[in-house]
Amino acid sequence: SQKIEQNSEALNIQEGKTATLTCNYTNYSPAYLQWYRQDPGRGPVFLLLIRENEKEKRKERLKVTFDTTLKQSLFHITASQPADSATYLCALDRGSTLGRLYFGRGTQLTVWP
Amino acid sequence: GAGVSQSPSNKVTEKGKDVELRCDPISGHTALYWYRQSLGQGLEFLIYFQGNSAPDKSGLPSDRFSAERTGGSVSTLTIQRTQQEDSAVYLCASSLAGSNYGYTFGSGTRLTVV
Repeated sequence: SQKIEQNSEALNIQEGKTATLTCNYTNYSPAYLQWYRQDPGRGPVFLLLIRENEKEKRKERLKVTFDTTLKQSLFHITASQPADSATYLCALDRGSTLGRLYFGRGTQLTVWP
Repeated sequence: GAGVSQSPSNKVTEKGKDVELRCDPISGHTALYWYRQSLGQGLEFLIYFQGNSAPDKSGLPSDRFSAERTGGSVSTLTIQRTQQEDSAVYLCASSLAGSNYGYTFGSGTRLTVV
């Protein structure tokens, strides 16, 4: 089965810095890799999706890279703000349609002023 | 509706009782998923419905768990003879099949078995 590892359970950075979160996976390569944000007591919220043939995708202050050789995705938040504090989850699926997603345990990001 | 709606938001039940959790997906979303999240754990897949196809039940942890989706819309997850290890947040999500927009999750039902 797919195994997903996200770097350190917690990441603390100062406001204004760039946060970099890592997602590594084993076994088969997914067709898509997705990133979600989860706040306490809420369901995850979809942020970005990147396909296996895409190297990088951006959305406002967010950037995701996908290296299928390393089996790794990096998620960057530039000019981080305290409001970015949350748990970030990476998730993989397997096919051309959105079937089940395999989720990592998440990285809890804290941005301090 | 504007989002995925789950009810109840909280449920406390006695061990051995049956519970039903409800999910109202976004109108027009053909795919519906149930996950559960235990404290400090990742999301665990339970079941997946896609249109009129047979559901993918491969994640259901035991035969005490079942789910149905009526009319391609509302879904109910039923847990029979609840056990303490069933305590978790049960999350429902929906999506457009083949969508590039990911899943839309509800806020979940927090189930506590005492």
